[in-house]
Amino acid sequence: GQQLNQSPQSMFIQEGEDVSMNCTSSSIFNTWLWYKQDPGEGPVLLIALYKAGELTSNGRLTAQFGITRKDSFLNISASIPSDVGIYFCAGQLRGDKLIFGTGTRLQVFP
Amino acid sequence: GAVVSQHPSRVICKSGTSVKIECRSLDFQATTMFWYRQFPKQSLMLMATSNEGSKATYEQGVEKDKFLINHASLTLSTLTVTSAHPEDSSFYICSALSPGPFADTQYFGPGTRLTVL
Repeated sequence: GQQLNQSPQSMFIQEGEDVSMNCTSSSIFNTWLWYKQDPGEGPVLLIALYKAGELTSNGRLTAQFGITRKDSFLNISASIPSDVGIYFCAGQLRGDKLIFGTGTRLQVFP
Repeated sequence: GAVVSQHPSRVICKSGTSVKIECRSLDFQATTMFWYRQFPKQSLMLMATSNEGSKATYEQGVEKDKFLINHASLTLSTLTVTSAHPEDSSFYICSALSPGPFADTQYFGPGTRLTVL
């Protein structure tokens, strides 16, 4: 099935550092979403973006909907150990189907 | 709000048997639910869209006779893996669609780990 390209594939950072990851697509989406998945759990919604160019924050998380509607990025500031997990972007299609990114695995060291 | 549960969380079964997984929206009604499959270290792949009161819509390559979906109420969808085989072992995750101010949003269940021996 179709997937979005997400980079980097994995990140190993020190607690307190900022993190940036992005997601690109060859298709246009009207909605971009960012989810976090912990091991053995379902994804949890972090941020939803509905308009091209939109910049939205949720605590230490900031995400932007690319102006071309083909990309999005997620920033995490001042990382903490509980930020560890896999982050997925998702583009929402008509019919509310989601196409998921390949995921970014984040590891935070104290 | 927007809590979705799944049952069971883990199931181990013998090859050839059938397994039913339940997905419930606990605090909202969902006319549409989705079923995903996730293999280790991979992303979520959509299997089918479950519509309350009508037939499910399956993604290309997903066998509808093997993965039976029933969405009998606005808060419950079930996925039955029939005649399960070891290659069906995976993490199955459902989501329920909740109305939002700009677009409907999917909220995910905690997943069901299926192991077929």
